[in-house]
Amino acid sequence: SQQGEEDPQALSIQEGENATMNCSYKTSINNLQWYRQNSGRGLVHLILIRSNEREKHSGRLRVTLDTSKKSSSLLITASRAADTASYFCATDRMDSSYKLIFGSGTRLLVRP
Amino acid sequence: GAVVSQHPSWVICKSGTSVKIECRSLDFQATTMFWYRQFPKQSLMLMATSNEGSKATYEQGVEKDKFLINHASLTLSTLTVTSAHPEDSSFYICSAQPADRLSYNEQFFGPGTRLTVL
Repeated sequence: SQQGEEDPQALSIQEGENATMNCSYKTSINNLQWYRQNSGRGLVHLILIRSNEREKHSGRLRVTLDTSKKSSSLLITASRAADTASYFCATDRMDSSYKLIFGSGTRLLVRP
Repeated sequence: GAVVSQHPSWVICKSGTSVKIECRSLDFQATTMFWYRQFPKQSLMLMATSNEGSKATYEQGVEKDKFLINHASLTLSTLTVTSAHPEDSSFYICSAQPADRLSYNEQFFGPGTRLTVL
């Protein structure tokens, strides 16, 4: 079963604006990862944040992790039309063997 | 590096037939591969964990006799959907975990296979 819930389910913004997506999970984790998926395509790994990290940056991406609240956020700054995609968080449970459990996803639309 | 391929990228079959989907790690060895299913506008649901040289581990609710998994080498895992029915129509995605990166749980995903059962 899915562990993570993401909100919003869908997000529509203007090019140049920032997009923030949130992910919540239920059990203790080792790592949390964010993936991107273009329609009908496979997943692209964006960023991994470990349970002992609180914030991580990669280019226009900023990820935060709050293990006390069991939540993470993905911020995309200065969005571009090409950022239009679905974004998923994925966690690997501490009691599991490398299985990734995906959140419900956020569908982002960046209007040009 | 770390490229995973899937074949075929899409397949249409008649109800009752079996379909085999291949997942290959092209430039690394993967002791573990994972199979996911994704219905339209939904998230990825883990179906099974495939370990090279051993039986696959299936998630609760996934029929092992219907979804046969074989992981015969460190670069190839296959998923066979047996006696496919329209409700099996979905997007099937595999991922492969490099043998030398177990501590980071880094998985690389294939491009997916779109299965349509008529």
